[in-house]
Amino acid sequence: TAGITQAPTSQILAAGRSMTLRCTQDMRHNAMYWYRQDLGLGLRLIHYSNTAGTTGKGEVPDGYSVSRANTDDFPLTLASAVPSQTSVYFCASSDSSRGDTGELFFGEGSRLTVL
Amino acid sequence: QKEVEQDPGPLSVPEGAIVSLNCTYSNSAFQYFMWYRQYSRKGPELLMYTYSSGNKEDGRFTAQVDKSSKYISLFIRDSQPSDSATYLCAPTTGFQKLVFGTGTRLLVSP
Repeated sequence: TAGITQAPTSQILAAGRSMTLRCTQDMRHNAMYWYRQDLGLGLRLIHYSNTAGTTGKGEVPDGYSVSRANTDDFPLTLASAVPSQTSVYFCASSDSSRGDTGELFFGEGSRLTVL
Repeated sequence: QKEVEQDPGPLSVPEGAIVSLNCTYSNSAFQYFMWYRQYSRKGPELLMYTYSSGNKEDGRFTAQVDKSSKYISLFIRDSQPSDSATYLCAPTTGFQKLVFGTGTRLLVSP
């Protein structure tokens, strides 16, 4: 089973350029999330979407935007990349109808380097 | 002060050892206490979780929560090289509002 698919797996990007990280899930989960993971800082929530058509800001949303046009896709866009956005980005999903256990299903990550 | 504190390690143990991984937290509203395991260059995956205080056992793994001291523990018995990974604690107030610790890297040598 595929679960969460992220693309690209890695990318080097020049500062000032734009970039969209793609995320697709095949589990029909209603909620989706974008996290970034940095050494010493752990996983930090960037944006989330509780259902198609809605999005919300997480802990570190500045410099990022998201959209949720349908249930399966949740792209993350960096409009003008800066070196501090160098990180590993994880997309995740969850099924809130299963209650409050908070089980997230993660993709394999996208490693982004901004030079 | 961070909401969740976790020693980054690495913690190196020989195969067969008992491992203790710990987190402290500051938010008394946390009700669910999750442990995620993350292998190198992979996404985290849920290992187990507990609700409120007490213990929960799943095979070689035991999760323990002491809400009075705001202390979360994960014990691994008879550790195996395949247990080598980063372990992330993630308490939550509910409805996916997880707060992740920075993770403890565990190395189990054969």
